[in-house]
Amino acid sequence: DAMVIQNPRYQVTQFGKPVTLSCSQTLNHNVMYWYQQKSSQAPKLLFHYYDKDFNNEADTPDNFQSRRPNTSFCFLDIRSPGLGDAAMYLCATSRQWRSYNEQFFGPGTRLTVL
Amino acid sequence: GENVEQHPSTLSVQEGDSAVIKCTYSDSASNYFPWYKQELGKGPQLIIDIRSNVGEKKDQRIAVTLNKTAKHFSLHITETQPEDSAVYFCAASTSGGGADGLTFGKGTHLIIQP
Repeated sequence: DAMVIQNPRYQVTQFGKPVTLSCSQTLNHNVMYWYQQKSSQAPKLLFHYYDKDFNNEADTPDNFQSRRPNTSFCFLDIRSPGLGDAAMYLCATSRQWRSYNEQFFGPGTRLTVL
Repeated sequence: GENVEQHPSTLSVQEGDSAVIKCTYSDSASNYFPWYKQELGKGPQLIIDIRSNVGEKKDQRIAVTLNKTAKHFSLHITETQPEDSAVYFCAASTSGGGADGLTFGKGTHLIIQP
């Protein structure tokens, strides 16, 4: 089945230790998004890629970076995780950047910062 | 930027009764309003969406209404069942959910009492 896959499902890191979360998709969608969802809150968009074009949200901290080496994979790098970065990180895709395209979400990676 | 308010934060209904969740948005340019269902440990899943040129849309037990003048939209679930228990998020987008991503409400925890 076509889907959005996130690995690992649970990630534990230490304060200040770089961590990378990965997302892959078999949908062949052009757009990939990263959202941060803190406990009992709404998902918040961090950035997205339209093909290889990177688009950062204005309030996304510099501590968060992303890479998209090919259509199928996208990575979220947190350079120096703080306690406030503990959250669920959701990857999503959509077929096109134009209107009315459903976003498909992966199951998320829950990040714990010790 | 867009701001989406969602109410109530928690809703408990008896199995078989109807549930209504309401959202308001701030940006009159928003043109796409999806609803997502998030079950425990999973990513959000689209259940229904509506475009700004439509006032109402129905899919079996689920319906969504949109009032552009008042800038609010609502999710209606009839004949609720235990499997409807989840967190529901409304969202809005000015780009049809595409390049600019989605702005989510804070979510409603729907509890179906047997």
